[in-house]
Amino acid sequence: NAGVTQTPKFQVLKTGQSMTLQCAQDMNHEYMSWYRQDPGMGLRLIHYSVGAGITDQGEVPNGYNVSRSTTEDFPLRLLSAAPSQTSVYFCASRVAGGPYEQYFGPGTRLTVT
Amino acid sequence: RKEVEQDPGPFNVPEGATVAFNCTYSNSASQSFFWYRQDCRKEPKLLMSVYSSGNEDGRFTAQLNRASQYISLLIRDSKLSDSATYLCVVPSGTYKYIFGTGTRLKVLA
Repeated sequence: NAGVTQTPKFQVLKTGQSMTLQCAQDMNHEYMSWYRQDPGMGLRLIHYSVGAGITDQGEVPNGYNVSRSTTEDFPLRLLSAAPSQTSVYFCASRVAGGPYEQYFGPGTRLTVT
Repeated sequence: RKEVEQDPGPFNVPEGATVAFNCTYSNSASQSFFWYRQDCRKEPKLLMSVYSSGNEDGRFTAQLNRASQYISLLIRDSKLSDSATYLCVVPSGTYKYIFGTGTRLKVLA
């Protein structure tokens, strides 16, 4: 069991570039979510999904898109990167129902210059 | 009042000491709570879930005080390896979670 995996581990983008952060889990979890973590702030929810084909916005969704075509994968797309999106991004998953504990991936450190 | 509040610390304690952190929350309807541990530049990892009055796992004890709306984490016989940031997490409904900013613990030799 790999758990929750994320790629890439590190990424540097120029302002205006787009990219996709990948997240996959092999625990057959229905619920998946994306967070960003900034210094001095708690993790903030960007988007979440309660199953394939179902996504919803979290606290800070602007500038990000998500889709969920399979149970395993939940990619996060940055449409036009801005310096304010420099952050550490974590993907998490958990079983359906809840709210139950989440399991996190190792994170992606993104710098936008 | 913030939705979830934690003392950022750092709490510097000698090895073997007992240390406790509190986390206050504003949503009186919250039924479950979580403590996560986060090492520097790593992902949060679940330490304990608290679904009723409290939970105990070895040297770690979590208590819930619904009347005063706080949860606490007690660590007994602190080890150097306990040095980390401890995050308090309070669900907001079924699908959203509010994270505290974390309390930093340093256990000193």
